[in-house]
Amino acid sequence: SYELTQPPSVSVFPGQTATIPCSGDRLQEKYTYWYQHKPGQSPVVIIFQETQRPAGIPERFSASRDGDTVTLTISGTQPMDEADYHCQAWDSSTGVFGAGTKLTVL
Amino acid sequence: EGQLLETGGGLVQPGGSLRLSCTASGFTFDSYGMTWVRQAPGKGLEWVAAVSGSGVTTYYADSVKGRFTISRDNSRNTLFLQMRGVRADDTAVYYCAKNARIEPGADLDWFDSWGQGSLVTVSS
Repeated sequence: SYELTQPPSVSVFPGQTATIPCSGDRLQEKYTYWYQHKPGQSPVVIIFQETQRPAGIPERFSASRDGDTVTLTISGTQPMDEADYHCQAWDSSTGVFGAGTKLTVL
Repeated sequence: EGQLLETGGGLVQPGGSLRLSCTASGFTFDSYGMTWVRQAPGKGLEWVAAVSGSGVTTYYADSVKGRFTISRDNSRNTLFLQMRGVRADDTAVYYCAKNARIEPGADLDWFDSWGQGSLVTVSS
């Protein structure tokens, strides 16, 4: 089965830039999506179709690609950005999520 | 994009059955695919099952295929997940999610609304 790989955790000081990579076999052939999930809340899409931000998502969230690795970048990280971040792609009409990365704002 | 409310979670014994429901509002229900996603304790999100807007086409994760059935009643704006033969590793918070497309699983599809989640605990 298809797998997406993310680091379990990333730490950053407020105001710094956080980067969260997500890699998978032939991921360059797929669109990727990113969801932010805070404890006790529902997940929220923050990036769709590779680089697009939904209305209401701050500009500090962006995504880029380098081959089979996509990277979520949070510029000027704020304490409110502390959450789990999950990348997601499709493989033969089956949804696949990465295991999630816990972002800690120190 | 809409509001989703899951109900039906609870404690169920191994091998037992449970049906989750998800009531939708704020959007034209039959114009969008719908999906169940779960999160086991301490684990990441896991895609479980999806159904097309018409209800004709369904998709399942290998981990639940043959045990779970996804369906929808478009006249009642409600999504269902019938769980049978549950196991301890089915313990999770189950979220219903609205797909951005009528046919789920296309490369340009994503989940643009999520419910608050319903906890299912499988234990004797």
